[in-house]
Amino acid sequence: GAVVSQHPSRVICKSGTSVKIECRSLDFQATTMFWYRQFPKQSLMLMATSNEGSKATYEQGVEKDKFLINHASLTLSTLTVTSAHPEDSSFYICSAGGVRTIEKLFFGSGTQLSVL
Amino acid sequence: SQQGEEDPQALSIQEGENATMNCSYKTSINNLQWYRQNSGRGLVHLILIRSNEREKHSGRLRVTLDTSKKSSSLLITASRAADTASYFCALFSNDYKLSFGAGTTVTVRA
Repeated sequence: GAVVSQHPSRVICKSGTSVKIECRSLDFQATTMFWYRQFPKQSLMLMATSNEGSKATYEQGVEKDKFLINHASLTLSTLTVTSAHPEDSSFYICSAGGVRTIEKLFFGSGTQLSVL
Repeated sequence: SQQGEEDPQALSIQEGENATMNCSYKTSINNLQWYRQNSGRGLVHLILIRSNEREKHSGRLRVTLDTSKKSSSLLITASRAADTASYFCALFSNDYKLSFGAGTTVTVRA
């Protein structure tokens, strides 16, 4: 099946710094990428949807200035958590869908962010 | 966007037994999908069932969908220790979004 690579898998940062998470589709063109956030033992909450070359669409309650999403190419989307605070600590997961695979998404392995 | 509601929240079974988990939802869907997540990892797509389908099989997995009751079930037969994971149903809506249920944590005891 298709492969989505997400890096880093784990990051620890100080409060106030910014953290960038990358999501790459390795063997298909990802026209749409989704970013999710997951708290321990809870479900995945959709944060935003990004389409290549256009601005991301954020879900209600998600601060777009806080979580910057860039989808500049068909194989790469990035999520930048700006001025991170301890409450931003969470597991972030990306998923990607292509034109022919929009129904079935392929997920990255996730990034565990810990803000001290 | 809506989420599915899953039950049970947790399930512990002996290796070789079957595991059944259910997902209920409230509005119309395009399709319903089941995913597995091992602790601290990403999600793996297991099976997709469309709104006009009633049952689907994939290896030891059997999924049913009852659109009149707005519910789906996932059955894992002859469970193995490697099946220990969290299982999520996900609703694919007509606006191309995938919304996840709270998940069922399955523990298979050797």
